[in-house]
Amino acid sequence: DGGITQSPKYLFRKEGQNVTLSCEQNLNHDAMYWYRQDPGQGLRLIYYSQIVNDFQKGDIAEGYSVSREKKESFPLTVTSAQKNPTAFYLCASTSRSGDYGYTFGSGTRLTVV
Amino acid sequence: AQSVTQPDIHITVSEGASLELRCNYSYGATPYLFWYVQSPGQGLQLLLKYFSGDTLVQGIKGFEAEFKRSQSSFNLRKPSVHWSDAAEYFCAVRTSYDKVIFGPGTSLSVIP
Repeated sequence: DGGITQSPKYLFRKEGQNVTLSCEQNLNHDAMYWYRQDPGQGLRLIYYSQIVNDFQKGDIAEGYSVSREKKESFPLTVTSAQKNPTAFYLCASTSRSGDYGYTFGSGTRLTVV
Repeated sequence: AQSVTQPDIHITVSEGASLELRCNYSYGATPYLFWYVQSPGQGLQLLLKYFSGDTLVQGIKGFEAEFKRSQSSFNLRKPSVHWSDAAEYFCAVRTSYDKVIFGPGTSLSVIP
C-alpha cells in the first residue's frame, strides 16, 4: 500500500548533536513537508519542497536543514543550533493534482537527553 | 491575513451524544477545506474535504461537515460519538498548491 514512512518512531539526541529524521513516500507525490508539533501549539511548518533539488523555508526553519535528492525522500536534520528540539515531527506529502489533501506519516518523537 | 480558528480548545461529550466542532477561516477566494483527526502519538488522518459543489460533505467514521460561505465556517459534526472518537481534530484550509494553514486543533474527550 502507498504511504509515508517516518523513521525512527522515537529518537534521542544528546546536547550538541545533529540528528536526521527520515521520511520516505511511495505515493509519487510531488511536494513534501516537515511540521513540528508541540503540545497546544498545533502544527508549525519547518521546510517544504515542491520538486527534487528544491526546497523552501517554512515558519520555523532556524536550526533545521533538509535535502530533496530523490522524489521519494525528504530527510530532516535537526542541528545543534536548534536549542529546543524536543517535539513531535510530522512529514507530509501531496500531489499537484487530485484531491489536494495531505498524507501524513506517523511521526517521530525527538527527545533531548 | 489568511488564518484558521478553532474556538474550542477542548470539548468533552458523553458517548452516544452528538458532536459539533467549530472551524472558521479567513480567506478571500473559495477555499479547499479539510478536517483531520490525530490519535495520540500518531500522524494526521484525513476525515473529509470540501472543494466545491454540495456544501454538506460526508467523510469517514460517520463524520460530516458543512461549508457556510456567509459565515466562513466549516463545522464538523457527528450524530453519535463513540469512545474511539477521542482524539485531536484539526481544521485546515489550502490556499494554494503549496500552502495549507492548519487550525490550532480541538481536543475531544469522550465520557463512557
